[in-house]
Amino acid sequence: KAGVTQTPRYLIKTRGQQVTLSCSPISGHRSVSWYQQTPGQGLQFLFEYFSETQRNKGNFPGRFSGRQFSNSRSEMNVSTLELGDSALYLCASSSRTGGGREQYFGPGTRLTVT
Amino acid sequence: TQLLEQSPQFLSIQEGENLTVYCNSSSVFSSLQWYRQEPGEGPVLLVTVVTGGEVKKLKRLTFQFGDARKDSSLHITAAQPGDTGLYLCAGSSGGGADGLTFGKGTHLIIQP
Repeated sequence: KAGVTQTPRYLIKTRGQQVTLSCSPISGHRSVSWYQQTPGQGLQFLFEYFSETQRNKGNFPGRFSGRQFSNSRSEMNVSTLELGDSALYLCASSSRTGGGREQYFGPGTRLTVT
Repeated sequence: TQLLEQSPQFLSIQEGENLTVYCNSSSVFSSLQWYRQEPGEGPVLLVTVVTGGEVKKLKRLTFQFGDARKDSSLHITAAQPGDTGLYLCAGSSGGGADGLTFGKGTHLIIQP
C-alpha cells in the first residue's frame, strides 16, 4: 500500500504571498489531519478533515485553511504569508476519526518564507 | 490547554547503554502515542497505550502509561545507532474528533 504523499516537498515564498500544499492519504483512509512543525513550538495541530468535513481546528489564525475532496485528497492554504509561517507542514491520514486514531504521516512540505 | 513535557530534550549515549525518556502532563489523556521521526521524514507511530498502568514492548523498547494516565515513559535497552532520532509523545483527550497534543520531543543520538 502506498504511503501518504505530500507535494511539493520544498517551497520558498515571499511575505504576503499565498501557498497551497497538497496531501494524498493512504488509499481507503478518509481522515486527513494537518500539523505545523517548528523547532520552537514542536508539532502543532492545524485541522482535521473527515469525509470532506472539517472535524476540528487548532489554535491558528484564519489565514490557515483547508479542504478535502471526495477522493480524500486534501489541500491546505496559507494566505498573506508571514516569516513565522516558515515550518515543516505535515499531513497524516487515518482510517477513522476521533481521539487515539492511528495516524500515518507523510514526509512533509518544507515551507520557507523570505 | 493540555501540555506534554518531554525530558530530556537531548540525549547522547554510547551504543549498548540503556536509557529512559519521559513524557509528563498535568492533564489526563485517554490515550497516548509514541512516534519516532528521522530527519527529512514524518513521524512514524511506534505504539499507542490506552489503559492506566499499561506496559507494551516493541523489541528493545518498553512503553509504560502511568496509572493516572498523565504520564508515560519509553525505555530502550541496549541502544543501537539505528535508534537515533526524535522521539515524540502525543496525547489524545478522547471524545470526538480532535488533534493530538504533541510534546516537543527528545533528540536521541546513539554513538557507535
